[in-house]
Amino acid sequence: DTEVTQTPKHLVMGMTNKKSLKCEQHMGHRAMYWYKQKAKKPPELMFVYSYEKLSINESVPSRFSPECPNSSLLNLHLHALQPEDSALYLCASSQEGGSSYTQYFGPGTRLTVL
Amino acid sequence: AQSVTQLDSQVPVFEEAPVELRCNYSSSVSVYLFWYVQYPNQGLQLLLKYLSGSTLVESINGFEAEFNKSQTSFHLRKPSVHISDTAEYFCAVSDVPGGSYIPTFGRGTSLIVHP
Repeated sequence: DTEVTQTPKHLVMGMTNKKSLKCEQHMGHRAMYWYKQKAKKPPELMFVYSYEKLSINESVPSRFSPECPNSSLLNLHLHALQPEDSALYLCASSQEGGSSYTQYFGPGTRLTVL
Repeated sequence: AQSVTQLDSQVPVFEEAPVELRCNYSSSVSVYLFWYVQYPNQGLQLLLKYLSGSTLVESINGFEAEFNKSQTSFHLRKPSVHISDTAEYFCAVSDVPGGSYIPTFGRGTSLIVHP
């Protein structure tokens, strides 16, 4: 199983809402990532979790709050977002410490902030 | 730190024609190289990768890429494209173990296949 799943597929929220994005993998990977992708642009790294601990935060605003409840799950909590936060949010995982360093991506959540 | 250059932002081509998407990288250490494809409204899918060994790597859908260390390139080729190959293609590089395992992505090349 080389699948990373993400829910929901689409999300529309107002600037005062609180919502969460979810990501799950069952490949035994110990590194998980959140990326933000604008149209026709490469993914931009937001956060990296390594062995369930936050290892990289790329100066992301505090209105984005990541959480890694266990080695298979990754959440991204959203609060008081701005319209410019509208984007495709991608989750990925990789076998940290392995020889491949290959990232496997989920299908993404398309977020629209009104 | 490494960087990736995809010179072509858009490559239009007719169906059944050959195509080459260019990727050059710079790094002070040995690297792993990847090509990802992103179909419209989908996430990124790994197309192929070079880790070590044979410098020519192939994907299951007819794409191939060749690692050229002297030219620091990893160009993607397909001898005959299909309409269904229309997508965004991203080249990525990460340092060989010992360095950062976070890949650096190129800006992407939009392959547009016309009938």
